[in-house]
Amino acid sequence: KAGVTQTPRYLIKTRGQQVTLSCSPISGHRSVSWYQQTPGQGLQFLFEYFSETQRNKGNFPGRFSGRQFSNSRSEMNVSTLELGDSALYLCASSTTDDTDTQYFGPGTRLTVL
Amino acid sequence: AQSVAQPEDQVNVAEGNPLTVKCTYSVSGNPYLFWYVQYPNRGLQFLLKYITGDNLVKGSYGFEAEFNKSQTSFHLKKPSALVSDSALYFCAVRGGHSWGKFQFGAGTQVVVTP
Repeated sequence: KAGVTQTPRYLIKTRGQQVTLSCSPISGHRSVSWYQQTPGQGLQFLFEYFSETQRNKGNFPGRFSGRQFSNSRSEMNVSTLELGDSALYLCASSTTDDTDTQYFGPGTRLTVL
Repeated sequence: AQSVAQPEDQVNVAEGNPLTVKCTYSVSGNPYLFWYVQYPNRGLQFLLKYITGDNLVKGSYGFEAEFNKSQTSFHLKKPSALVSDSALYFCAVRGGHSWGKFQFGAGTQVVVTP
């Protein structure tokens, strides 16, 4: 099975712009979660989508949003970028079972100038 | 609320020596516990998990972890460390009232010297 894929792998944007990141989960996985990783804050949960519905949400401002499509692919959008949004954004997928493992993609490195 | 703590920012060990990375958790009900490893500029790789049953869990690359309910701990261990084990290790918990949501620890940097 192919693993979790994320595109693009690297992205450079300027303050005030918006960005969309994409995640394709492992085939058969219906849950997709997004995380932000920074050196100072560590790994922080953004949100989780399951069957096109947001099931869980972390403590991030409304500038961070996401969605999931019927084929389980997911996108996250960050509007009005700030310098502090520079981070590695990780996507993870899993099945419906809460005992199941989350499998991570390689991440998208976002740099905001 | 669930939480997980990794008390050590960094663990230094000589190659060939035993490696232990500590993790404690707090969750109401039965926890599901996971260990992941991250190499530079890569995503997290799954190592092992505890769901139920035997307290000693064996995982990838010779790693194992012991679930201790009374001490609410889930320490990661490897009998003989390799230089290639140098990486960032994360403990995670899932359970309690936040089904579906993983809570990750801050991570522990492991440095294995030749």
